Amino acid sequence: GAVVSQHPSWVICKSGTSVKIECRSLDFQATTMFWYRQFPKQSLMLMATSNEGSKATYEQGVEKDKFLINHASLTLSTLTVTSAHPEDSSFYICSARGALAGGLETWETQYFGPGTRLLVL
Amino acid sequence: KQEVTQIPAALSVPEGENLVLNCSFTDSAIYNLQWFRQDPGKGLTSLLLIQSSQREQTSGRLNASLDKSSGRSTLYIAASQPGDSATYLCAGLDNYGQNFVFGPGTRLSVLP
Repeated sequence: GAVVSQHPSWVICKSGTSVKIECRSLDFQATTMFWYRQFPKQSLMLMATSNEGSKATYEQGVEKDKFLINHASLTLSTLTVTSAHPEDSSFYICSARGALAGGLETWETQYFGPGTRLLVL
Repeated sequence: KQEVTQIPAALSVPEGENLVLNCSFTDSAIYNLQWFRQDPGKGLTSLLLIQSSQREQTSGRLNASLDKSSGRSTLYIAASQPGDSATYLCAGLDNYGQNFVFGPGTRLSVLP
């Protein structure tokens, strides 16, 4: 099945620094990628949707200047948390949707990455 | 705006019991639905996907059904085991096919 990876899996940083999280689709081309955030004991909340080569669409309440998303290729999207603060500490999960090799459309299914845990001190 | 509820929020059962987890959507226009498992501090593991043309899916001891008319889904776990202990999330893809909306999850604890 399709695989989505995230890097790093864990990151601890000081308040005020920026952190970049990578999301890669390993065996398919992801035309659309999604970024979710999960606070402790809460469910996943969609932050933004990005299509390859275009600007991301952010959900209401998510600051686009703080959470920079770049989807420059069909296999890579990055989320940069700029000037991170302790309240940004969370579990960030990406998912990808697109065509598998061979042209089989997978638009009905999203493949989720393993998540990145961010702790801002 | 689509909202998802999951009942119960938490469940603790002795090993061997059969159990049912419930998920409901405020907007019944769900294109497809997926059940996930999440272990503490980990990412999501997809369990079952009910496609738009389907009403039910089975995998091993798991069975999920979707009633599109009411926007409700159930996940049935047979002969529960301690290894089933985790949080179970349901997520629905709306008819516009834009993105999944997640429920808050049910925290399951199966006691040996």
